[in-house]
Amino acid sequence: GEDVEQSLFLSVREGDSSVINCTYTDSSSTYLYWYKQEPGAGLQLLTYIFSNMDMKQDQRLTVLLNKKDKHLSLRIADTQTGDSAIYFCAERASKIIFGSGTRLSIRP
Amino acid sequence: DAGITQSPRHKVTETGTPVTLRCHQTENHRYMYWYRQDPGHGLRLIHYSYGVKDTDKGEVSDGYSVSRSKTEDFLLTLESATSSQTSVYFCAISESEVYYEQYFGPGTRLTVT
Repeated sequence: GEDVEQSLFLSVREGDSSVINCTYTDSSSTYLYWYKQEPGAGLQLLTYIFSNMDMKQDQRLTVLLNKKDKHLSLRIADTQTGDSAIYFCAERASKIIFGSGTRLSIRP
Repeated sequence: DAGITQSPRHKVTETGTPVTLRCHQTENHRYMYWYRQDPGHGLRLIHYSYGVKDTDKGEVSDGYSVSRSKTEDFLLTLESATSSQTSVYFCAISESEVYYEQYFGPGTRLTVT
């Protein structure tokens, strides 16, 4: 069945780039999303990419999509303490499937 | 932030009791969703609505029912709560297409003892 996989944790030094990876299984996905969840809050849509795109850049965020390998990544440039959160990847085809989330922690 | 509120924000209830969670939106969006979030599972869709009185099941709908009598309100009911329904419940809305650009409420933490 459809599945979205993410690593559970990522630790990055402040000022470095963070790269959060995601793999998915449904080749009919139309949109792929990245959401951010801060403690005690709901999910916030960060960015999305349409399945016929390879890359999308939005300020410090860069999304890369490798459709052949069904691999999606989110790069956060110049990572700040405010970027500490859980990041969810999601794919949308006939339904939407969320990954389990990657907890990003920032080291000073 | 999208105008989505959930009530209550926290609830503790006993096994076997009925529970209703409310989602209220002020955005006039057509689509509304209920998810549950559990460690290691991400978010899983319980039910969604594509209009007043129009609802459909998600992947984990057993034990839950929903109702939408007005555009702005989407209710999730646990007819007889079980400990396995202890979770954080999120409501979401989207405007133009199902699942597209969803905006999430702050969540309801439900504990069933």
